[in-house]
Amino acid sequence: SAVISQKPSRDICQRGTSLTIQCQVDSQVTMMFWYRQQPGQSLTLIATANQGSEATYESGFVIDKFPISRPNLTFSTLTVSNMSPEDSSIYLCSASDTGELFFGEGSRLTVL
Amino acid sequence: AQRVTQPEKLLSVFKGAPVELKCNYSYSGSPELFWYVQYSRQRLQLLLRHISRESIKGFTADLNKGETSFHLKKPFAQEEDSAMYYCALKRGTALIFGKGTTLSVSS
Repeated sequence: SAVISQKPSRDICQRGTSLTIQCQVDSQVTMMFWYRQQPGQSLTLIATANQGSEATYESGFVIDKFPISRPNLTFSTLTVSNMSPEDSSIYLCSASDTGELFFGEGSRLTVL
Repeated sequence: AQRVTQPEKLLSVFKGAPVELKCNYSYSGSPELFWYVQYSRQRLQLLLRHISRESIKGFTADLNKGETSFHLKKPFAQEEDSAMYYCALKRGTALIFGKGTTLSVSS
């Protein structure tokens, strides 16, 4: 199994600012993903974080708004840029190596 | 388009009653399906996957390709089963999730 740590666990942000969420896995994993869970909604896949290359974004999500880095097999970051209140959500990092998907505890962002 | 539907937002049962959490999917091809659970103040975790055909914590789920369903069942609910349950479908290397069903088990 993989243990995933996310920082920050929560934050309150001002409109127009950007915030970077860090995700650390305790072992090397093949795949890492970023999901969003808006209040009362399900998990929505934002992108697949590819090691050493640009992330693969889902429909409705773009790199300028959600830049992602993955410099190695255990670490990734997601930046939420130019935030608006609609970006208030829980952002979840997940990782997979053997087919099972493991999740971090999430980063709860509130944008005022 | 690939889609996962969980029609019930909330399911309330009494302790000892049978439980069935519904999940329907839309997928062209051979689907790979999962159930994830999130207990209060805990992270999302895998409950079971259809390819392993196992029973976890008394829960089972059978893939019915004819009905495109993967319902989660337990014959006798326990209070500690109260949680949020998500059905998920593998698409490529990632998972897409249903909206989730909150299971509330009371005594």
